Amino acid sequence: EAGVVQSPRYKIIEKKQPVAFWCNPISGHNTLYWYRQNLGQGPELLIRYENEEAVDDSQLPKDRFSAERLKGVDSTLKIQPAELGDSAVYLCASMGTGQGEQFFGPGTRLTVL
Amino acid sequence: GENVEQHPSTLSVQEGDSAVIKCTYSDSASNYFPWYKQELGKRPQLIIDIRSNVGEKKDQRIAVTLNKTAKHFSLHITETQPEDSAVYFCAAYMSSGTYKYIFGTGTRLKVLA
Repeated sequence: EAGVVQSPRYKIIEKKQPVAFWCNPISGHNTLYWYRQNLGQGPELLIRYENEEAVDDSQLPKDRFSAERLKGVDSTLKIQPAELGDSAVYLCASMGTGQGEQFFGPGTRLTVL
Repeated sequence: GENVEQHPSTLSVQEGDSAVIKCTYSDSASNYFPWYKQELGKRPQLIIDIRSNVGEKKDQRIAVTLNKTAKHFSLHITETQPEDSAVYFCAAYMSSGTYKYIFGTGTRLKVLA
């Protein structure tokens, strides 16, 4: 069984440009998380989906970040426009039963120049 | 707000010695406590977890203990090996209500050969 898939793995952009990340969770997992991880720190939640519904987006900087999970499977996270401080690893994770076991994708390392 | 404190931030041990990492959580409704290992440039990997109805869990050289009253939980690694060197994150999760998943700040473990 495939794990959580993310693409791209790496992205380098100029500031003020848009960028999008894609995540395909483990098949059958209804819960999907997007996290941002800065160097040397733990993952910080950006948004959580239950199926296609964003049930916790309180930490998402909505002026420039947006996310969607159409059909409750794949998800995309977008930043427009990107700022220097957005450089980080963006991790996607999924969870099946809601009992806590969360599985991470490999992440997308974003560098904003 | 809810948070998880993790100590120490860095830990160096000699190969073969034991390592202990401690976490404290604030929300008494948390009922699932996973530990993740993250090697440089890789995704966090679940290595062991414990639920609130259990006080201790062991898997080969790794064990986790939970003190619900004190809201503490700890990771114990015995007979450490160089391949145990990584960053370890604890987390606290509530499987009801807000379903919040909160990570500690991480411990960089270095096992010296």
